[in-house]
Amino acid sequence: DAGVTQSPTHLIKTRGQHVTLRCSPISGHKSVSWYQQVLGQGPQFIFQYYEKEERGRGNFPDRFSARQFPNYSSELNVNALLLGDSALYLCASSLPISTDTQYFGPGTRLTVL
Amino acid sequence: AQKVTQAQTEISVVEKEDVTLDCVYETRDTTYYLFWYKQPPSGELVFLIRRNSFDEQNEISGRYSWNFQKSTSSFNFTITASQVVDSAVYFCALSEYQAGTALIFGKGTTLSVSS
Repeated sequence: DAGVTQSPTHLIKTRGQHVTLRCSPISGHKSVSWYQQVLGQGPQFIFQYYEKEERGRGNFPDRFSARQFPNYSSELNVNALLLGDSALYLCASSLPISTDTQYFGPGTRLTVL
Repeated sequence: AQKVTQAQTEISVVEKEDVTLDCVYETRDTTYYLFWYKQPPSGELVFLIRRNSFDEQNEISGRYSWNFQKSTSSFNFTITASQVVDSAVYFCALSEYQAGTALIFGKGTTLSVSS
């Protein structure tokens, strides 16, 4: 079975631009979470979505938004990019039960110049 | 507030040595889950183990073993007879039942195994 997939793999943007990152969960998983991992740090929780509804949000500004589609895939959008948004963005999927294990994709490496 | 501390930033060992990675957590919830993930240079986080707060039994999986002690709020990970392929960053993480499934990660421990 295919794991979590993310696209694109790498992305280079300039300050002020907008970016959209995409994630497809493991087949049968209905919950998707997004994390930001800055170099040298552990991942930080951004959002969790289940059945197209936001179930949780981390301490990130409103420039960050996300949505989930009927096929359970998800998009993470970041507006007005800042240099500090440069990071590895990880998507994780899990079954809908709140205690389920999250399985991560390979990530999207975003560089903001 | 919830917190995960991995005090060891980097560990270097020679192949076949045993190594223990420490993890200390803080939580006010009585129901919580602890995890270990491995992140090789490719970047993808690989799930290793999940433990719930009501199960303090230690677990062994091949060369890997985990020691969960609620009394000291620790969830340590031991690799026996380490191999070069074990070189990676290892993360300990916590999720609280009351907070949903958001994972709180430690800063990670970089393990380097040389031949």
